[in-house]
Formats: sequence, structure tokens, C-alpha cells
Amino acid sequence: GIQVEQSPPDLILQEGANSTLRCNFSDSVNNLQWFHQNPWGQLINLFYIPSGTKQNGRLSATTVATERYSLLYISSSQTTDSGVYFCAVVRAGGYQKVTFGTGTKLQVIP
Amino acid sequence: EAGVTQSPTHLIKTRGQQATLRCSPISGHTSVYWYQQALGLGLQFLLWYDEGEERNRGNFPPRFSGRQFPNYSSELNVNALELEDSALYLCASSHQGAPGSPLHFGNGTRLTVT
Repeated sequence: GIQVEQSPPDLILQEGANSTLRCNFSDSVNNLQWFHQNPWGQLINLFYIPSGTKQNGRLSATTVATERYSLLYISSSQTTDSGVYFCAVVRAGGYQKVTFGTGTKLQVIP
Repeated sequence: EAGVTQSPTHLIKTRGQQATLRCSPISGHTSVYWYQQALGLGLQFLLWYDEGEERNRGNFPPRFSGRQFPNYSSELNVNALELEDSALYLCASSHQGAPGSPLHFGNGTRLTVT
């Protein structure tokens, strides 16, 4: 099956700092989503981005499908950004099985 | 528009018992997915239902089973509970009209097996 790896696995930021999270995948995809899982376990949709670039406030994401990676940018981080960030993909041409990456655990300290 | 709803929020069972978890998808969504997330770990794919049929299954033993009803809601059943079944169980739904439609998650059911 498709492999999805995220980096870094852990990240500690000072409030106000910027960061870039990466998601690499091993096969062509027709669906890529970024999620934020808060400390209460809720998974929040951030972006649906199988290709291209999107922005939503302090967050933006870019997927380069031909090179099989996606980046999530967090600018001016806040303590509420803490949690785990997952990317999830669906391999192109197959069943719609969603595979999650390993996650990046982000802690933003005041 | 109501989101994906899961019940119960918390469930405590003892070893050997059965657990039933429920999920209602977003209106208009026909696909339901179940994931298991053990403490501190990632999401492991359990089951995918669409139009009442099981479409795909993750690497879990047969005591994990489920079904999807005509109204597209779904149940996950776990028989002969083991301590390691303790986890957050997340349900997601999507509209299966085109490949790659985004997932929307519920808030999960936290199952504790003692």
C-alpha cells in the first residue's frame, strides 16, 4: 500500500514563530487532506489539497503532486495551534482507502 | 448542517464483553469510515462502508465488525474485548460522488476496557 511519512515527528515552537510541516507519499494520489487533532482528540479539517496552494488565515498548504509531497505552513504560531497534525491521502486509481501519515506533534509554548 | 455524530462519547467495558459504537454521517454522505487510535499513536484504518456494503477492511481480527444501515448510519461492533482494544474510535464520512472527496470526522468514542 501507499506509504505516508511526516516530518518532523515532534516540534516545539515559541509563540509567534513560523514552521513548516512536511508530508511525503509514495504513490500518486487524488486526495490529500491536512488535519489538526487537538488535545481532546477532535480531528479538525484544515485543507483539502490534492494539488496546488491554499491559504486560510495563518495557515497555508502546498501540494506538489508530481513530486509526491505536501507542506503545511503555520505562521505566527499560537498556543492553540498545539496538537498533532496529520496528512491523509487516497491513492489514485484504487479504492477510496484513506491512509494517514505518522503525524507531527506540535507544542507551542508562551 | 450537522456534522458527523458519534455515540456514546465514552464507553467502559470489561474484558470479554462486546462494545457497540454508532456513527451518523453528514446528510448526503454515503460513505462511512472507522479508524482506531490507540493512546499516543496514529490512526489505523478499520472499515469502510458505502451504500450499505463493506468496501474495504484494515488489518484487524474478525471480532471487529460493523454494518451500514439504509439511512447510511453505521455501527462498529467489537466482540470479546481485549485490554488493547482501549482506544479512541473515530468515524468519518464523505460524499462518494467523485474520487477523492474530503473526509469529515466525528468527535470519537473513547473505549476503555478494564
